[in-house]
Amino acid sequence: GAVVSQHPSRVICKSGTSVKIECRSLDFQATTMFWYRQFPKKSLMLMATSNEGSKATYEQGVEKDKFLINHASLTLSTLTVTSAHPEDSSFYICSASPSGQYNSPLHFGNGTRLTVT
Amino acid sequence: SQKIEQNSEALNIQEGKTATLTCNYTNYSPAYLQWYRQDPGRGPVFLLLIRENEKEKRKERLKVTFDTTLKQSLFHITASQPADSATYLCALSTGGGNKLTFGTGTQLKVEL
Repeated sequence: GAVVSQHPSRVICKSGTSVKIECRSLDFQATTMFWYRQFPKKSLMLMATSNEGSKATYEQGVEKDKFLINHASLTLSTLTVTSAHPEDSSFYICSASPSGQYNSPLHFGNGTRLTVT
Repeated sequence: SQKIEQNSEALNIQEGKTATLTCNYTNYSPAYLQWYRQDPGRGPVFLLLIRENEKEKRKERLKVTFDTTLKQSLFHITASQPADSATYLCALSTGGGNKLTFGTGTQLKVEL
């Protein structure tokens, strides 16, 4: 159980375009989901906390207008990279844990490799 | 400043030996600490969680210790196998709910 599906797994886009990444909890409901970014051979950097039915909470230094997060249902959060540039190329990973379970492990998607040309 | 540091270099060990990975942190007071495994191009997979009032946790060949005085956690894999080769990440609870901050990760390679 506790599967998180992330789509697409890979995407290549041109500079200036926008890309949407979906994160779904398949067999549980998630009030909160987390979006991370990972550079090669580096650790995961938390970008934002996605809250169902309300605005996302962004970490310091993360542009909320650049990385739009929508958490419209208890099983789906989306991250849209707007006006992408080559420096946005990275590995983006989402995670979630079942609603009501605090201090519990996170379940991760398999990430999205974004390449901006 | 706040830091979570793991063995900065890759760790190579021989099959059958015990691998020991370290996680040191500063300026945090986590209620719990978790360890994850990450394979190339994949998301992390949860391994173990240990709470601040627990000294040690075991699961099959895995053992985690948590010393809140030293601000350190040790992660052991006994009877290591080539299939254990991966990057291992420690993560601290650093906010409300299930918010985690991850360490730098240690790449483990188990050789035949």
